[in-house]
Amino acid sequence: EIVLTQSPATLSLSPGERATLSCRASQSVSSYLAWYQQKPGQAPRLLIYDASNRATGIPARFSGSGSGTDFTLTISSLEPEDFAIYYCHQRSNWPPTFGQGTRLAI
Amino acid sequence: QMQMVQSGPEVKKPGASVKVSCKATGYTFTSDYIQWVRQAPGQGLEWMGIINPSTGSTTYAQKFQGRVTMTRDTSASTVYMDLGSLRSEDTAVYYCARDGSYECSGGNCHPGWLDPWGQGTLVTVSS
Repeated sequence: EIVLTQSPATLSLSPGERATLSCRASQSVSSYLAWYQQKPGQAPRLLIYDASNRATGIPARFSGSGSGTDFTLTISSLEPEDFAIYYCHQRSNWPPTFGQGTRLAI
Repeated sequence: QMQMVQSGPEVKKPGASVKVSCKATGYTFTSDYIQWVRQAPGQGLEWMGIINPSTGSTTYAQKFQGRVTMTRDTSASTVYMDLGSLRSEDTAVYYCARDGSYECSGGNCHPGWLDPWGQGTLVTVSS
């Protein structure tokens, strides 16, 4: 199965700063990669799909890029509500797999 | 709007089975697949399987083969995930999620993105 490795494990930033989260796949997933946000006690929420497309209702400060094995989620200017855990997810190969998550902390 | 509503928390003894339900509203139940994902306390997300509510066909993660069964009731717009032979390591929050982008091309099929998710069902396995 495809292993997704996210880095860093924890990213400590302040509101207003730019966040850059990385996801690396053990083999090419083309553009079949998504990003989810999870806040404590809540279900994950889809942010980005097909590597670079924002899901419905997701603010423009969130953007995704990459293809093949290297992907990035960028939050251009952090809002207080953005501090959460972010997971990448591939659907290129069965079974679909998730990264281990990056905790975005203040 | 589209919503997935799951059944309430469960406490089970080792060796028992648990059945979690997931009711879909706000869209045509049979038009989209539904996937199940679990999350152990403080851990990441683990894919369990997928069901086609229209046909009932399923694909399970190898790890759960023989222990998990996913079914659906089209009259109730509800899918069910039944996990047997429970052990303490199965303690987790179980999520269902709509898969609105399942696609097949040239004989290859890809599961889709998960949106929206249910609120999660905590299953605790303890003696």
